[in-house]
Amino acid sequence: GQNIDQPTEMTATEGAIVQINCTYQTSGFNGLFWYQQHAGEAPTFLSYNVLDGLEEKGRFSSFLSRSKGYSYLLLKELQMKDSASYLCAVSPSNDYKLSFGAGTTVTVRA
Amino acid sequence: EPEVTQTPSHQVTQMGQEVILRCVPISNHLYFYWYRQILGQKVEFLVSFYNNEISEKSEIFDDQFSVERPDGSNFTLKIRSTKLEDSAMYFCASRPGTSGVGTDTQYFGPGTRLTVL
Repeated sequence: GQNIDQPTEMTATEGAIVQINCTYQTSGFNGLFWYQQHAGEAPTFLSYNVLDGLEEKGRFSSFLSRSKGYSYLLLKELQMKDSASYLCAVSPSNDYKLSFGAGTTVTVRA
Repeated sequence: EPEVTQTPSHQVTQMGQEVILRCVPISNHLYFYWYRQILGQKVEFLVSFYNNEISEKSEIFDDQFSVERPDGSNFTLKIRSTKLEDSAMYFCASRPGTSGVGTDTQYFGPGTRLTVL
């Protein structure tokens, strides 16, 4: 089976930085994805890591350590519109189906 | 920018009825997926589809479910006899699958909210 853990909720202030951790134990590994999901909407792709290290895309960065089964998503210069659920997902097979964590709800306060 | 589209946005049906959820993947994508998300729960994989056949399916995807790509653009999910527990948001996703940057990334449609009464 697949086990993907992330915190349930996080709260931060506008302009601050928040780090969302994700640990995983899966039967295989073909990459780790982070998606953003606003309530009632579809997941929107944020980042993809398949090799160890940091990937930076504007205000969002994602890190992967395959040996530790660990990733984090870093959100910088938080804005109110960043309030959403952030989903960690692992692709355990060549088919690239995604196994999702339960999501971390981030609330940005003024 | 190309998008995955899904219809209808909301479907209400009676228990035991058949429903067909429709998706139009991004036009040059080769791999197609269905996921569902029960309210307040995580997104769950249902089925993946490539080259006109199912490549993988989950335990959820039992004999009541089927998928089809009836033409060059549509990708459908059929639930033969709906149950109360099928009530969920159903997402279609597609990915390019050819070599190059971004080919492993799945892009999700806006979803169909299915309510079974």
